[in-house]
Order: sequence, then structure tokens, then C-alpha cells
Amino acid sequence: GDSVTQMEGPVTLSEEAFLTINCTYTATGYPSLFWYVQYPGEGLQLLLKATKADDKGSNKGFEATYRKETTSFHLEKGSVQVSDSAVYFCALSGYTGGFKTIFGAGTRLFVKA
Amino acid sequence: DGGITQSPKYLFRKEGQNVTLSCEQNLNHDAMYWYRQDPGQGLRLIYYSQIVNDFQKGDIAEGYSVSREKKESFPLTVTSAQKNPTAFYLCASSPGNGVYEQYFGPGTRLTVT
Repeated sequence: GDSVTQMEGPVTLSEEAFLTINCTYTATGYPSLFWYVQYPGEGLQLLLKATKADDKGSNKGFEATYRKETTSFHLEKGSVQVSDSAVYFCALSGYTGGFKTIFGAGTRLFVKA
Repeated sequence: DGGITQSPKYLFRKEGQNVTLSCEQNLNHDAMYWYRQDPGQGLRLIYYSQIVNDFQKGDIAEGYSVSREKKESFPLTVTSAQKNPTAFYLCASSPGNGVYEQYFGPGTRLTVT
């Protein structure tokens, strides 16, 4: 069935380090892909999205490119800050499941000063 | 300001009592969702609604009930039949019409003792 797999955490980085969080998916058709971020005790916020192959989503220094050939949507940031510490969820929607969204398990990021 | 509100932020109940969690949106979105999140875990879909007066079970609907009498409101009732109700509950909405990103409320943390 349709699914999202993302790298297990926690990921611990020093401030200004490069971040990659891997995400791969399995889906029928041409889904839209998303990254959401959750800060402690809060709901999720949409971070970025891509709706078709080769699209690059970007926001707040984060980027991810929709790679259909590798079924991937890896999240990257060139220089992380302490304030980026959060849980990041990869997700897909608009597949055969219609209105539902499939979320990955989440990857917790800790950034040390 | 447009958004999703959930109330209350924290809720405490005794075992055996039903409890209703509120979710309201003023984004004019067609679709609404309820998720459950347990500590350190991802999101699990409880119920979703694509349109007023219609809703579908998600992956873990047992012990929960919902209604969608108005477009802007999607309350969730946690019944006494839910075996482990203590969790963080998140409500979300999405525009519909081929637009799939979800907008989340701040969540309600329910503790049942």
C-alpha cells in the first residue's frame, strides 16, 4: 500500500551544521509531497510542499525536491539554528486515498548551541 | 485572523466519562480531520470529513465519534469505550478541490485517570 518512510531520529547537530532528513515514499499515481514541522506542545505547521516531479519546495532556508525516479523528498537546510529543534514529518496526499494524508513517523531534530 | 481553534488546551477526565473536544475553523475549508498522537509517536487518523453531514472512519475510529453539522465545526467525542484515551489530539482542515495541505490546530491534551 501507499506509505512514507523517513529516517529515524533523533538527529543531533551543532548550530550552523548541514541538515538532511531522508524521506522516501510509495504511492499510486502522482501524489503531492509535504514536510510539516511540530514544535514541542504544538500542532503541526506546513513547512514546504511540492506537487509534481522535479518541483522544489522551499521555506525558511529549508528545501526539498520531488524526485519521482527515486521516490524521494529529502529535507535539507544549509545551516541549522537552535530554533530549528523540532519534529519533522514527511507526508503525501492526493494519491488514490483522496482526501487522506499519509504521514511518516517523524524525525526529532536537536540543535546544540 | 483565519485559523483553527481547539479547546480546551488541557482536559482531565475520570475513567468511564465521555468527553467532547472542540474544533472550529474559519478558513472556509471543506475537509476536516482528527488525529491522535501518543508520546514520541506519529499521527494516527481517527475520523475525517470531506463535506458537511458526511464523515468517514480513519485507522483508529473505535471508541470515538464525530459530527459535522456545520462546515466550520467538527467536534470529537471520546467515549468510555476507548480503552486508552490519554493522548494529544490534533484537529486539521484542508481546502479540498485538489488542494491537500493540512492546517492544524494547537491540539488538546486529554488525560483520563
